[in-house]
Amino acid sequence: ELKVEQNPLFLSMQEGKNYTIYCNYSTTSDRLYWYRQDPGKSLESLFVLLSNGAVKQEGRLMASLDTKARLSTLHITAAVHDLSATYFCAVDMYDGATNKLIFGTGTLLAVQP
Amino acid sequence: NAGVTQTPKFRILKIGQSMTLQCTQDMNHNYMYWYRQDPGMGLKLIYYSVGAGITDKGEVPNGYNVSRSTTEDFPLRLELAAPSQTSVYFCASSPRTRGKQFFGPGTRLTVL
Repeated sequence: ELKVEQNPLFLSMQEGKNYTIYCNYSTTSDRLYWYRQDPGKSLESLFVLLSNGAVKQEGRLMASLDTKARLSTLHITAAVHDLSATYFCAVDMYDGATNKLIFGTGTLLAVQP
Repeated sequence: NAGVTQTPKFRILKIGQSMTLQCTQDMNHNYMYWYRQDPGMGLKLIYYSVGAGITDKGEVPNGYNVSRSTTEDFPLRLELAAPSQTSVYFCASSPRTRGKQFFGPGTRLTVL
């Protein structure tokens, strides 16, 4: 059974600081997604990482994927309050015909002024 | 395009009652999914469909049923509601296998 673990589960950081959220998973996959969820809202897709070594950047967020280490990171540069949300990674499990997303438990990010 | 829409937004059920959560997408996507999100947790897949007339179980299908008679609609049925089904339910759709999933706004269900 695939397990997806994120850490930390909760992150309180000051504006302007840098930090990294980690997503570890237990079985082989070549594709991983990062989502953002604001309180009481639906999920917004941030990044899809399609292969080993993939790196995507959007604004202050940068995501990377190491399929050999079964690890993805979401790096936050110079955090601002607007980035406060819960961030989920989701591993794509593909059996050759259909795929399923297995989500991590999420990281609640609170950026303090 | 409205994207993925879900109704109702909120619902309170008594134990043993039944209800159907509605999900509709107007993007002509073949793939549709139902997830539940328990407080402080990630999403878990309940059921999915790869096209009209084809459905399959996800990680947590017990206590739920689905049908897919059209490309647009993918309703989720709870037959005998239990407190353990208190959760937020999200529907999603995708244009192809391994494609980006687009999520609906969610239905918050409480079973008392």
